Amino acid sequence: AQRVTQPEKLLSVFKGAPVELKCNYSYSGSPELFWYVQYSRQRLQLLLRHISRESIKGFTADLNKGETSFHLKKPFAQEEDSAMYYCALSWATGRRALTFGSGTRLQVQP
Amino acid sequence: EPEVTQTPSHQVTQMGQEVILRCVPISNHLYFYWYRQILGQKVEFLVSFYNNEISEKSEIFDDQFSVERPDGSNFTLKIRSTKLEDSAMYFCASRGGLSGDEQFFGPGTRLTVL
Repeated sequence: AQRVTQPEKLLSVFKGAPVELKCNYSYSGSPELFWYVQYSRQRLQLLLRHISRESIKGFTADLNKGETSFHLKKPFAQEEDSAMYYCALSWATGRRALTFGSGTRLQVQP
Repeated sequence: EPEVTQTPSHQVTQMGQEVILRCVPISNHLYFYWYRQILGQKVEFLVSFYNNEISEKSEIFDDQFSVERPDGSNFTLKIRSTKLEDSAMYFCASRGGLSGDEQFFGPGTRLTVL
């Protein structure tokens, strides 16, 4: 069965510091990987997905199939990045139901 | 920008009662989902719905649960006889249908079973 692991419940950094939120997955096949973000009192929203290879709000994530990881990175954290971040996967074809990790709360201090 | 809406935002019910959680997906979307998040735990998939039938369901989605699209806009989740452990945040999501489409989430309904 597929599983997504986010080892850190809380990550606290200072503004301007680099950020890396870790995500590892277990799945046999070719999954699609996503990062969702939930700002305070807002709904879950897609931040980025591995197939688009884009940078959103300065965040990037590279799928490493050898290490089965999809870590989220940003070189310089901003206070407005403070939020809950969820890594998720779905099958690349057919089933689209998302399997979520437990989430990492990012706190960016001034 | 169109959004998924959910009502009510908070539902309190007694154990054993039936509840219906309502969702209005984005109007031209074809795939609909329910997820739940028990306090302090992961967001978990419950069920997906396409072309007026369930396309997939998880182990959580047992006979106590049902989904329906009673008209062209609403998508409902019914829990027939609520248990204490059904207390959770329930999220609805919808997706357009093209390959690679993202799922858009509603704000959630907090269900409290007393």
